[in-house]
Amino acid sequence: AQSVTQLGSHVSVSEGALVLLRCNYSSSVPPYLFWYVQYPNQGLQLLLKYTSAATLVKGINGFEAEFKKSETSFHLTKPSAHMSDAAEYFCAALFSGGYNKLIFGAGTRLAVHP
Amino acid sequence: GAVVSQHPSRVICKSGTSVKIECRSLDFQATTMFWYRQFPKQSLMLMATSNEGSKATYEQGVEKDKFLINHASLTLSTLTVTSAHPEDSSFYICSARPSTGGDNQPQHFGDGTRLSIL
Repeated sequence: AQSVTQLGSHVSVSEGALVLLRCNYSSSVPPYLFWYVQYPNQGLQLLLKYTSAATLVKGINGFEAEFKKSETSFHLTKPSAHMSDAAEYFCAALFSGGYNKLIFGAGTRLAVHP
Repeated sequence: GAVVSQHPSRVICKSGTSVKIECRSLDFQATTMFWYRQFPKQSLMLMATSNEGSKATYEQGVEKDKFLINHASLTLSTLTVTSAHPEDSSFYICSARPSTGGDNQPQHFGDGTRLSIL
């Protein structure tokens, strides 16, 4: 079955440290992939998207993600965490034949400590 | 960038009241809009897909008579929670997908509506 898995419901890093949020998908055909960020009591904001043009995708706020077909992964990274990065992050996939429905991972809450 | 406006941001009302939530795409047209429900500390659950000029497509387990969806134009979809009860209290989020630009266009989300039924 087509699915999206985010390993780690909570990630905690120190300010200035590397951020790594994991996302894996399950499907025979690579989907389009997205990372969204959600701040408390707000909707979702698009960070970046993978649409098969380039495997390394740069997004807003210094985030980037690399698509690895062999690992069926699309992990989100940022070299240096900032306090303002504390939020909930969702990985989502648009699968072929999925009738334009986004399939979301369970989300990862990122905490940033001073 | 693409902007989706969702209104109201917060509603508090008595049990039995019907509540309408609007979702507008401000700078693009959207043939398809989506309505999600989010419980505390959980991911988004797709409730229905709203299609301009036709009936909405509801996910399994979602009562279409309870959650009425109207998508009368390419920039507006509404969700009406009819005869709301406390168990309908939740965070409702809409999204819109641009009609142009191909299949890989991302969905753009509104800021959500916090519905509290007393």
